[in-house]
Amino acid sequence: GAGVSQSPSNKVTEKGKDVELRCDPISGHTALYWYRQRLGQGLEFLIYFQGNSAPDKSGLPSDRFSAERTGESVSTLTIQRTQQEDSAVYLCASSFSPRGVQPQHFGDGTRLSIL
Amino acid sequence: AQSVAQPEDQVNVAEGNPLTVKCTYSVSGNPYLFWYVQYPNRGLQFLLKYITGDNLVKGSYGFEAEFNKSQTSFHLKKPSALVSDSALYFCAVSPTGNTPLVFGKGTRLSVIA
Repeated sequence: GAGVSQSPSNKVTEKGKDVELRCDPISGHTALYWYRQRLGQGLEFLIYFQGNSAPDKSGLPSDRFSAERTGESVSTLTIQRTQQEDSAVYLCASSFSPRGVQPQHFGDGTRLSIL
Repeated sequence: AQSVAQPEDQVNVAEGNPLTVKCTYSVSGNPYLFWYVQYPNRGLQFLLKYITGDNLVKGSYGFEAEFNKSQTSFHLKKPSALVSDSALYFCAVSPTGNTPLVFGKGTRLSVIA
């Protein structure tokens, strides 16, 4: 039981291809976050799911990026027509936040390389 | 808008010496502040958080952080550094506590034996 699980751990693909990244949050965690970490940079927020509320998509960099979450379980982040600037580590985090301020728990990320 | 600054890209310290990793923040309202550590090829691990109350917050692995409202700072400290503390450290702020975090760019800590 673990922590947040992400797959694949590494993905290499050609420019223009679509990719799908998966995140399994900690069971019972209502909130799920996707972040992007470019080499030598901090983390950039992408999208946030909280329970059954509409997701906060304000961090998605372009319409090539989308994400879904089924209930309070698995989430997938999809990048269409990948570009070289999409190369980064994509990190997923979850938290249990019905009450109080809870830390986010991170997965080990998917390292995406666009050739 | 919220922001976090970590003014040092790299901090070097000798094993056994005290360490400080600096962080300043900008947020409207009361800040919720966090420190995370990242080891190579791993996700971020939570170290500690400040919500309210005592300005000195104690966290995992002997780390602590001091909240200073007048200086808008939240520096990470440890009295005696270990080689195993060598990692990338991130300071983060959340405007409401349970919303997406705004991260600093990270500080690489190297503890030299």
